[in-house]
Amino acid sequence: DTEVTQTPKHLVMGMTNKKSLKCEQHMGHRAMYWYKQKAKKPPELMFVYSYEKLSINESVPSRFSPECPNSSLLNLHLHALQPEDSALYLCASSRIPDSYANTGELFFGEGSRLTVL
Amino acid sequence: AQSVAQPEDQVNVAEGNPLTVKCTYSVSGNPYLFWYVQYPNRGLQFLLKYITGDNLVKGSYGFEAEFNKSQTSFHLKKPSALVSDSALYFCAVTGGTTDSWGKLQFGAGTQVVVTP
Repeated sequence: DTEVTQTPKHLVMGMTNKKSLKCEQHMGHRAMYWYKQKAKKPPELMFVYSYEKLSINESVPSRFSPECPNSSLLNLHLHALQPEDSALYLCASSRIPDSYANTGELFFGEGSRLTVL
Repeated sequence: AQSVAQPEDQVNVAEGNPLTVKCTYSVSGNPYLFWYVQYPNRGLQFLLKYITGDNLVKGSYGFEAEFNKSQTSFHLKKPSALVSDSALYFCAVTGGTTDSWGKLQFGAGTQVVVTP
């Protein structure tokens, strides 16, 4: 069982809607990630938060807005999406790498499957 | 720049036979290498990693991987495949430097099909 919980599991939205994806972890990890994954493709990094601050934004369109309210929670706010944004959105968490013994492997949630009509 | 190649889109193997999934990488400096598995409609699960030390790494569910620095490879292996090993496997790499963490580069993925 995954220790990273994502809600909702499925989301259908129109192009004018505003919705949010939520992610929660209780492993004490201080790094959290959003990935986008199309069918049978590798995950694509979108955002990375470390110590609740945005540290990496992979040139993601502004219609995706991340938020990290505290060290356990990560949100992805969605607004005015396009049909091509339909995908599986994966949240992950990790320790901040600081040594060979702590290399920050990612723990993924089950994902939120988003369909934009 | 870092990159990962998984040369096979799909690997077919009969149950009980050895399974190998290939991965080669390119990274500046020492690599941190990972294997993840994804079952249908699920997230990715961590299998194993190579950071330093013994070139043969053992991981979850009976999987192991061999790091070969001269061939820049990190192939995933299982001595006896199970039907339940059918899934999508991703190799991933990041450079072992503080400015490369967080940017895990995934390979394209290899679909493993194990037939009874």
